[in-house]
Amino acid sequence: GAGVSQSPSNKVTEKGKDVELRCDPISGHTALYWYRQSLGQGLEFLIYFQGNSAPDKSGLPSDRFSAERTGGSVSTLTIQRTQQEDSAVYLCASSLVRGSGNTIYFGEGSWLTVV
Amino acid sequence: GENVEQHPSTLSVQEGDSAVIKCTYSDSASNYFPWYKQELGKRPQLIIDIRSNVGEKKDQRIAVTLNKTAKHFSLHITETQPEDSAVYFCAATPTDKLIFGTGTRLQVFP
Repeated sequence: GAGVSQSPSNKVTEKGKDVELRCDPISGHTALYWYRQSLGQGLEFLIYFQGNSAPDKSGLPSDRFSAERTGGSVSTLTIQRTQQEDSAVYLCASSLVRGSGNTIYFGEGSWLTVV
Repeated sequence: GENVEQHPSTLSVQEGDSAVIKCTYSDSASNYFPWYKQELGKRPQLIIDIRSNVGEKKDQRIAVTLNKTAKHFSLHITETQPEDSAVYFCAATPTDKLIFGTGTRLQVFP
């Protein structure tokens, strides 16, 4: 596709339910990132995938959060037993190759509201 | 790991004036410093970046400076226009993982 695609664009869920957020990176991009942005806040790193390497999960806030990337392309971020503090925009991004200095391109984000 | 601090958190300027946003980083191995602009409700988009072998880079009304000794870098916007109003994020990375500053909300008043 032309850009990073994320779905759903908006999700309202009840506290305690599980949610899955999907990211389809730019074709050919081997690096994929998930960031979280709470209302009016900065971009918090969650997890990073690069090719077949083990993902960098150092930013995941708790064990309720997990992510996978199948076939080196599409990624799914799963939040189990959602809490109100999970409400945020979840931004996916991708870049062409590994290595510092490669531009990362963001998707439009998935707006998650936990009620 | 890398830590990036950004100041100010909000900045208001009159149209035509200059705006400066400053960031400091902690990891001396960081070698790539991009700046992203995020308009309300939109995705962050790269506006300019600088690598550690360069001290300054310009692109029309936007410039970025880097001081590796002091571990700080700055974004300069000259002749500001209302459409420059947005949140600006700096970032730094020694490897692959971009660490962002907390953002600066710039408002340009006509």
